[in-house]
Amino acid sequence: DAKTTQPPSMDCAEGRAANLPCNHSTISGNEYVYWYRQIHSQGPQYIIHGLKNNETNEMASLIITEDRKSSTLILPHATLRDTAVYYCIVRFRMNNNAGNMLTFGGGTRLMVKP
Amino acid sequence: DARVTQTPRHKVTEMGQEVTMRCQPILGHNTVFWYRQTMMQGLELLAYFRNRAPLDDSGMPKDRFSAEMPDATLATLKIQPSEPRDSAVYFCASGLALGGGGYNEQFFGPGTRLTVL
Repeated sequence: DAKTTQPPSMDCAEGRAANLPCNHSTISGNEYVYWYRQIHSQGPQYIIHGLKNNETNEMASLIITEDRKSSTLILPHATLRDTAVYYCIVRFRMNNNAGNMLTFGGGTRLMVKP
Repeated sequence: DARVTQTPRHKVTEMGQEVTMRCQPILGHNTVFWYRQTMMQGLELLAYFRNRAPLDDSGMPKDRFSAEMPDATLATLKIQPSEPRDSAVYFCASGLALGGGGYNEQFFGPGTRLTVL
């Protein structure tokens, strides 16, 4: 799987948008970008994924650059409960060993402050 | 609200003892994963199963760890004998394979916090 690079930590004011960047310059055409987050003392939680188009769901938006070498996860109105470690993962979505594995890096520790 | 459940949530044991952790995947999911999380190594995949058959356990120390799925509703991870370096949080996750064999997302349980003294 392509390696990802994320800033180790970020702060965000409550109510403001949190923009979490991720670099994945070696991503291949078959690899998707996935985002998970882990709130303290809980298991990781799926947020969103995409291939090349921007995606939005009830939790967040995912913006992928045209060359697919980087992406940004956007939490439009961050709350205190969004404080967590956010993991950007690229992986295949097909039936092979790589496609079935999630390789977690260090992630970004987002602190939402009142 | 379907969830992955894990038992026990916390386990403290002495070195050399056997430890068994259990996971109940979401009903209908056919893929189960075991991860381990430590401060030093972060989240690591230990093993995963598809339709109860082990597909990859290359991340698991074979001499002391074993993973099984006795039935579709139960996955177990056993450590025998346990060592202090096994202290970690162990997460189970489940997913539903898509038509092409991959899957969309993994759902994680709350984890078992293991401390080996």
